[in-house]
Amino acid sequence: GNSVTQMEGPVTLSEEAFLTINCTYTATGYPSLFWYVQYPGEGLQLLLKATKADDKGSNKGFEATYRKETTSFHLEKGSVQVSDSAVYFCALDSGGSNYKLTFGKGTLLTVNP
Amino acid sequence: DGGITQSPKYLFRKEGQNVTLSCEQNLNHDAMYWYRQDPGQGLRLIYYSQIVNDFQKGDIAEGYSVSREKKESFPLTVTSAQKNPTAFYLCASSMLGVGAKNIQYFGAGTRLSVL
Repeated sequence: GNSVTQMEGPVTLSEEAFLTINCTYTATGYPSLFWYVQYPGEGLQLLLKATKADDKGSNKGFEATYRKETTSFHLEKGSVQVSDSAVYFCALDSGGSNYKLTFGKGTLLTVNP
Repeated sequence: DGGITQSPKYLFRKEGQNVTLSCEQNLNHDAMYWYRQDPGQGLRLIYYSQIVNDFQKGDIAEGYSVSREKKESFPLTVTSAQKNPTAFYLCASSMLGVGAKNIQYFGAGTRLSVL
């Protein structure tokens, strides 16, 4: 079956530090890949996506590249801010007719001033 | 504003009681989903529906029930058979079809606790 593995958290960084959150996946076929963000007490928001190999998704300074050869979709940001503190979820959609998303367990990021 | 509205924000359940969580969307999306979120476990799919009057079990459907009588509404009932209902419940919706890429939009969630 499909699965998503994210690096264990929590991750604590100082403002302006470089961020990487690792995500690897197992899926049949050619999945679409997503990063969602959840701010405290809220639902999830789509942060970025990529739908085919070598695509780079980007938004708000965050980037992730769909690497089929390593089955990875690592999230990066060059300079984090306190406002980036949240839980980040990697997810995949394997296609097909059921449109189900498979989520990783989430990584809590705390950015200190 | 278009979006997904979940209510209530907080809900308390007594032993043996059924409770219903509301989810309404005005995005004209075909598909709707219910997820359960527990600390350290990510999101797990409870039920989903792609069309009115039809729904499918997800990975953890036992102890839950849903209905889809209207396109905009997808209420979730947590029954007394669900022995560990304390969790954060998230509703989502999405368009269907080629090009939709299954981008799911989420509500703000309902936190359910047992008294």
